[in-house]
Amino acid sequence: GQQLNQSPQSMFIQEGEDVSMNCTSSSIFNTWLWYKQDPGEGPVLLIALYKAGELTSNGRLTAQFGITRKDSFLNISASIPSDVGIYFCAGRKGGADGLTFGKGTHLIIQP
Amino acid sequence: GAGVSQSPSNKVTEKGKDVELRCDPISGHTALYWYRQSLGQGLEFLIYFQGNSAPDKSGLPSDRFSAERTGGSVSTLTIQRTQQEDSAVYLCASSYLAGGPAKNIQYFGAGTRLSVL
Repeated sequence: GQQLNQSPQSMFIQEGEDVSMNCTSSSIFNTWLWYKQDPGEGPVLLIALYKAGELTSNGRLTAQFGITRKDSFLNISASIPSDVGIYFCAGRKGGADGLTFGKGTHLIIQP
Repeated sequence: GAGVSQSPSNKVTEKGKDVELRCDPISGHTALYWYRQSLGQGLEFLIYFQGNSAPDKSGLPSDRFSAERTGGSVSTLTIQRTQQEDSAVYLCASSYLAGGPAKNIQYFGAGTRLSVL
């Protein structure tokens, strides 16, 4: 099935650095979502975006819904050890539809 | 319970056997979704239920895969004649489908890790 193009695949950063990741698609989505998944757990929602151009923050996290509705980015400022994990973008076309996911960005924080 | 519950958490089976995976959604959630996550990949949508009916089965990879939901609550995903390529984590999510898109947040269970030998 279709997947979103998510990059980078992995990031090795120092604690305190800022992080940026993004997702692109060849088709339009009406909702963009960012999830975080820890080992052995299901994804947990971080930010949901419902309107083109929308910029939303959740603590140190900021995400934007692209104007074309074909892309989104997630920024994490001042990373801390508990930010380690896999981050997934997801798009939804209709209100009840299943989600289309990216392949994930694996965030690793070096001591 | 407070969250989406899936059982078993791990399942090891032999090629050719049938398996059943269970999902207990959050109480009161009307929609239920099944996804598959292969190693190192994102989640792949399989099927969703609204109440007991399945408006979208488009993600089921073959006719060996089926799912049902009874009483608007528990759902079972069945894989018949399992193959090694079926090995993956199967995740279930539920949501409350009313009040517009802002309400349709999908909450995920921890998944069932299926290994087909």
